[in-house]
Amino acid sequence: SQQGEEDPQALSIQEGENATMNCSYKTSINNLQWYRQNSGRGLVHLILIRSNEREKHSGRLRVTLDTSKKSSSLLITASRAADTASYFCATDAMRSPPVNTGNQFYFGTGTSLTVIP
Amino acid sequence: DGGITQSPKYLFRKEGQNVTLSCEQNLNHDAMYWYRQDPGQGLRLIYYSQIVNDFQKGDIAEGYSVSREKKESFPLTVTSAQKNPTAFYLCASTPGRLFAEAFFGQGTRLTVV
Repeated sequence: SQQGEEDPQALSIQEGENATMNCSYKTSINNLQWYRQNSGRGLVHLILIRSNEREKHSGRLRVTLDTSKKSSSLLITASRAADTASYFCATDAMRSPPVNTGNQFYFGTGTSLTVIP
Repeated sequence: DGGITQSPKYLFRKEGQNVTLSCEQNLNHDAMYWYRQDPGQGLRLIYYSQIVNDFQKGDIAEGYSVSREKKESFPLTVTSAQKNPTAFYLCASTPGRLFAEAFFGQGTRLTVV
């Protein structure tokens, strides 16, 4: 079963605008990650936010995490045509005691972002 | 360069045939994963392995099999029991610790003809 759901499913913006996409998940997590996928390619890791963090920045990316609402958002500022891709959130399921040898990753359904030049 | 390599990039299978997808990593990662992605969909976990000679079923393991005889390799066999195998298959690996990012291969697109 997929843990995450992204919203919106598709987003189209003009170059230079900001893009915001959201992710909701179902169970307690250790961390949440965002990935990018260009058409027909593998996924590339963008950013990881731990469950005890509320906000994280990386270049033009800003990620927030609200564990009380089980949701996260990814903001891409000053978008470029090269940002056109699908974006996925991924979570691991928190286990007690914590697992130290890898985790299952649960991916959402993705947001397809189109940035128009 | 360290990375994770999937082959082949495109694969065609006749109905009733088994086919094996290759996944090799030289990142010294302990954990490896196989995902299936259908058009416009997210990733669904088929199998994962946290250590050599051990693997666990994911959400959609029926019709698939795997082996993990070496740390570097995690091949996926799509058997004739998988009734709808046409999809994009992605292999990933992680170091096997908490708070670790996953590294993905470039995928194999399997088509049944």
